[in-house]
Amino acid sequence: GAGVSQSPRYKVAKRGQDVALRCDPISGHVSLFWYQQALGQGPEFLTYFQNEAQLDKSGLPSDRFFAERPEGSVSTLKIQRTQQEDSAVYLCASSLDGGSVGTQYFGPGTRLLVL
Amino acid sequence: QKEVEQNSGPLSVPEGAIASLNCTYSDRVSQSFFWYRQYSGKSPELIMSIYSNGDKEDGRFTAQLNKASQYVSLLIRDSQPSDSATYLCAVFQTGGGNKLTFGTGTQLKVEL
Repeated sequence: GAGVSQSPRYKVAKRGQDVALRCDPISGHVSLFWYQQALGQGPEFLTYFQNEAQLDKSGLPSDRFFAERPEGSVSTLKIQRTQQEDSAVYLCASSLDGGSVGTQYFGPGTRLLVL
Repeated sequence: QKEVEQNSGPLSVPEGAIASLNCTYSDRVSQSFFWYRQYSGKSPELIMSIYSNGDKEDGRFTAQLNKASQYVSLLIRDSQPSDSATYLCAVFQTGGGNKLTFGTGTQLKVEL
């Protein structure tokens, strides 16, 4: 009965480094979402997968951000050439379906600090 | 104008009182509305969902939705110190992709 898991929980990167953040959704959940949460703000949408298909990536802030879910389960969010403004908590959520009543369940997040 | 607006607070209420948290949204085609609770340093946890006009009650929590006024609220009865957290209002908008749009959250402090 595991929930959404994310790793690492904390990541410190030097500016310019590449990072990869992993999300393991609830088993059987079709939809997977990535959000970015800055301090004192609500989560902001980054991208959405239905199974292995990335249906919406409109929230990715730049082409340095890339996400994939190749087998429709685990997803990875990659940030290339990290910048200080990338420092935030990255939240992954999954939903049984992608419909409007689909409740999204959040993982614990990865706290990224770029120095 | 932000799509989902909340008063950032802090909202302070004494233990045992009713806490009232409010949220307005700008997109009239919004269909689904959610309240998440977020403790400091933790991830959002779903408290309530509401889809139709009116009230929905679950234990000490009542969500209220008024689509004509584009307003959704959360009432917490018999507030406890453990209710102290940030409450996030989230809106699911068809046509806007399958994503939740969040407000900035209202910080609630329940005082002994």
